[in-house]
Amino acid sequence: GAGVSQSPSNKVTEKGKDVELRCDPISGHTALYWYRQSLGQGLEFLIYFQGNSAPDKSGLPSDRFSAERTGGSVSTLTIQRTQQEDSAVYLCASRLVGAYEQYFGPGTRLTVT
Amino acid sequence: QKEVEQNSGPLSVPEGAIASLNCTYSDRGSQSFFWYRQYSGKSPELIMSIYSNGDKEDGRFTAQLNKASQYVSLLIRDSQPSDSATYLCAVNSGGSNYKLTFGKGTLLTVNP
Repeated sequence: GAGVSQSPSNKVTEKGKDVELRCDPISGHTALYWYRQSLGQGLEFLIYFQGNSAPDKSGLPSDRFSAERTGGSVSTLTIQRTQQEDSAVYLCASRLVGAYEQYFGPGTRLTVT
Repeated sequence: QKEVEQNSGPLSVPEGAIASLNCTYSDRGSQSFFWYRQYSGKSPELIMSIYSNGDKEDGRFTAQLNKASQYVSLLIRDSQPSDSATYLCAVNSGGSNYKLTFGKGTLLTVNP
């Protein structure tokens, strides 16, 4: 079946602009995660959605970052007023409730110039 | 702060040899453990999961878990050049969100 999909695959933006990154999880996976992978920090958790529950936002690095999930499926991660330190690969993962395994999408490489 | 440490590498082995990758974790309450393979420029791919003490084998891969020592390892038998990648150890420390904490990864190179 189809895996996790993300768009765009690459995004170059100017410092100070807003960006939106999209994730479409595996069909039937109601748990959805955003992670960020950067050279200095490795792979770090950002936010978690599960069904209609309040999201776990504990990993968001600043209030410039926000995310939403519409209809329990597609999620959008928004970064406002981007900074150069936001440059990283943003990865989305999904999980089937009742299982522990997370499956990653191909990621969005964000470059802030 | 929950930490996951991996042997820093890089690790280089000849084709056909056994590659051994190691990982330790700080949270004794950790419940599930994963190995991801990440090729350069690609996203992490799940290759093994383990939940109980002991060994779990899947083809050429064996994961080993020792909760008392807070240690998890991955053995790759009959290593192939296509196994050359960064291997990430990930730990789920429980809680209702099952978020993963990752090690920094070990770069493995298998030489033909």
